[in-house]
Amino acid sequence: NAGVTQTPKFQVLKTGQSMTLQCAQDMNHEYMSWYRQDPGMGLRLIHYSVGAGITDQGEVPNGYNVSRSTTEDFPLRLLSAAPSQTSVYFCASSWGGETQYFGPGTRLLVL
Amino acid sequence: GQQVMQIPQYQHVQEGEDFTTYCNSSTTLSNIQWYKQRPGGHPVFLIQLVKSGEVKKQKRLTFQFGEAKKNSSLHITATQTTDVGTYFCAVNTGNQFYFGTGTSLTVIP
Repeated sequence: NAGVTQTPKFQVLKTGQSMTLQCAQDMNHEYMSWYRQDPGMGLRLIHYSVGAGITDQGEVPNGYNVSRSTTEDFPLRLLSAAPSQTSVYFCASSWGGETQYFGPGTRLLVL
Repeated sequence: GQQVMQIPQYQHVQEGEDFTTYCNSSTTLSNIQWYKQRPGGHPVFLIQLVKSGEVKKQKRLTFQFGEAKKNSSLHITATQTTDVGTYFCAVNTGNQFYFGTGTSLTVIP
């Protein structure tokens, strides 16, 4: 099993550009989530999904969109990138509220 | 959102010394999880505590959940250089996870 995979590993964007961060898991987990990690602020939940076709907002959803068309994939879209979105993004999956398995992360720089 | 305060933010210890990080909440928690993140890496699940007063051990790591289920601690006995990283607590309020700000541990050889 590959676990949770994320692409790309690094990305540089200009303000106003759009992009999609990819996340996939092969553990058949129903629950998937996106976090951003900023220095001194821990991990903050952006969006989460409890199953295919179901998504909801987390603590810091503004500026991000998600969809969940399959159990395996949970992409995160930035429609118009802003410097405040410079961060490290982690995707995670789990069985309900149990152990979360994190992907390796995407480091995003918005200029 | 759920506020989970974690202290200290940083801790430097000599190799062989003990280390403790604390998580505190103003509300009663249903459970608490602990994660470790190595420098440049991703968070890795360590343990989940559910019961009041629960104590669990993993080799040199001891995890405790307070009697009132409002606080938790992670204690490492005789730290080693492999313990370096940031330790996070996390609480699950149904479908949302809230993480503490983490304690960054540096171990000086």
